[in-house]
Amino acid sequence: LAKTTQPISMDSYEGQEVNITCSHNNIATNDYITWYQQFPSQGPRFIIQGYKTKVTNEVASLFIPADRKSSTLSLPRVSLSDTAVYYCLVGPPPYSNYQLIWGAGTKLIIKP
Amino acid sequence: DTEVTQTPKHLVMGMTNKKSLKCEQHMGHRAMYWYKQKAKKPPELMFVYSYEKLSINESVPSRFSPECPNSSLLNLHLHALQPEDSALYLCASSQGPDRSTYEQYFGPGTRLTVT
Repeated sequence: LAKTTQPISMDSYEGQEVNITCSHNNIATNDYITWYQQFPSQGPRFIIQGYKTKVTNEVASLFIPADRKSSTLSLPRVSLSDTAVYYCLVGPPPYSNYQLIWGAGTKLIIKP
Repeated sequence: DTEVTQTPKHLVMGMTNKKSLKCEQHMGHRAMYWYKQKAKKPPELMFVYSYEKLSINESVPSRFSPECPNSSLLNLHLHALQPEDSALYLCASSQGPDRSTYEQYFGPGTRLTVT
């Protein structure tokens, strides 16, 4: 099972773009990369999922290089409400296995 | 409706008590999950139900007993817990094993304190 490593914490300012990188050196061929956001005392919320290259949705982009040994979650023009813990997850498709490996999480603090 | 509801929000129980946590979703999801989350740690998977059948039990002690009465409901029965079982218990659901997405919808959790 692929292990993930991500920074414990990051600070940024309102209006900036924030990039959080996750390392997953032993990612398997059929593993996907998923990111969740969690506010204090709430359940995590799905942000984005990808397999390779770039994925973009209305809240974030996910960049995955060709070797897939890392991935970067990009949050454009952050606001104070983006202060949260961000988890990187790696695992095989759900049609074969539900066992995702959750990273330790990155605590992102956005300052005014 | 994209909401997963959990009751109660908070629960304090003694080590000899029996209590149950409840989870409900009406999104037609066929996979439901229980997680345990300690402070400043990621969620830890406990159980997975797929089409109302238990498909994964992550070596959870028998003092935790899951139940899936129907496709919308998930219970977690608690008995003879230890203080170290105090945590946030999260329920989640997803479309199911035949969909290639990891998008899980989480409830707000039950904050459990064992005294």
